[in-house]
Amino acid sequence: KNEVEQSPQNLTAQEGEFITINCSYSVGISALHWLQQHPGGGIVSLFMLSSGKKKHGRLIATINIQEKHSSLHITASHPRDSAVYICAVRSLGGNEKLTFGTGTRLTIIP
Amino acid sequence: NAGVMQNPRHLVRRRGQEARLRCSPMKGHSHVYWYRQLPEEGLKFMVYLQKENIIDESGMPKERFSAEFPKEGPSILRIQQVVRGDSAAYFCASSPPVPDPEAFFGQGTRLTVV
Repeated sequence: KNEVEQSPQNLTAQEGEFITINCSYSVGISALHWLQQHPGGGIVSLFMLSSGKKKHGRLIATINIQEKHSSLHITASHPRDSAVYICAVRSLGGNEKLTFGTGTRLTIIP
Repeated sequence: NAGVMQNPRHLVRRRGQEARLRCSPMKGHSHVYWYRQLPEEGLKFMVYLQKENIIDESGMPKERFSAEFPKEGPSILRIQQVVRGDSAAYFCASSPPVPDPEAFFGQGTRLTVV
């Protein structure tokens, strides 16, 4: 079993829909990151969380440390949100390296 | 303040050749991480370096792969005698020397071994 599990693996939605991507992890962590990767592109850091909730524009990220679970939400989704969204955790005592989920491929249809 | 710079963006090597991938961290960042993304797979940690020191190389293949981060100049990931299975995207990330730092990623180097 992977240390970081994401669901769903693939998600297709209509423009304007509310999107939720989930991430569960099995280890103690010091921080969780949500990353975005466009096809053939680089990786952009969206959020870093250690507790609670963060919001940036139409993106919201939440984390529940007790349940070892995080969610990324996108409100009023747009075709330009189409990308792979990756959850990554920094384990406690893990030398600051990140362990990644396999990603969620999001496609927003106009 | 330029972001994390990786070059080249694309690299084609024949089997048996050497590949050198470069990563210049953001200004003020002394920690560098290399990650590999194999086709249709997730990102995997390879090595974590600070200036002139390898801190954690637990993700590096035991043979043919090496990494350095000299006092001056970029971090280099070196792959000797490349094989087709080395074809992947190699990403570098850098962070400042603070607890629980934000991770800043480069655009990646896409290595193709023919």
